[in-house]
Amino acid sequence: GAGVSQSPSNKVTEKGKDVELRCDPISGHTALYWYRQSLGQGLEFLIYFQGNSAPDKSGLPSDRFSAERTGGSVSTLTIQRTQQEDSAVYLCASSLDRGREDGYTFGSGTRLTVV
Amino acid sequence: AQSVTQPDIHITVSEGASLELRCNYSYGATPYLFWYVQSPGQGLQLLLKYFSGDTLVQGIKGFEAEFKRSQSSFNLRKPSVHWSDAAEYFCAVGEVNTGFQKLVFGTGTRLLVSP
Repeated sequence: GAGVSQSPSNKVTEKGKDVELRCDPISGHTALYWYRQSLGQGLEFLIYFQGNSAPDKSGLPSDRFSAERTGGSVSTLTIQRTQQEDSAVYLCASSLDRGREDGYTFGSGTRLTVV
Repeated sequence: AQSVTQPDIHITVSEGASLELRCNYSYGATPYLFWYVQSPGQGLQLLLKYFSGDTLVQGIKGFEAEFKRSQSSFNLRKPSVHWSDAAEYFCAVGEVNTGFQKLVFGTGTRLLVSP
């Protein structure tokens, strides 16, 4: 597609439920990133996929968080047993191999509210 | 670990006045540096980037930034601010141990534009 697409744009869930957030990157972009933006905070790195390499999961805050990327394209971020502190905007971005020189293209984010 | 500091949480500028947003980074060699802008409810848009060459870089929407190695700074400037520039601005640096592919973001500066 023309841009990075994220769905849903808003999600309200009850504490303890599982949620799945979807990211559809720009076609041909080999790198995909998930960041979390909490109210008044900067962007917190979560996970990074680059081609067929093992993902960099160093930013996932707990084992309740996981992500996968199927076929080198669409990615799903799953949060199990959601907690109120998981409430945030989850941003996805993608880039070409040369993302370090071209920068990322971000989606509009999914706003997650845990009640 | 590398870090980015944006010392100003909020800045208010009168429409038509000049703007400078501060960014300091930690990294000894030449970094990969970026400025992004986030309008309310939107993802982040790349304004400009630096990784080599001329230390004064031009970006979109009339913004520019100057890389100063001696000060470890990459401040964003605009000579005349428009009301539509009101947004949140993020500085970012490429993390060296990921080949500069993964970005570390500052906490952002919210720009308010007064009439």
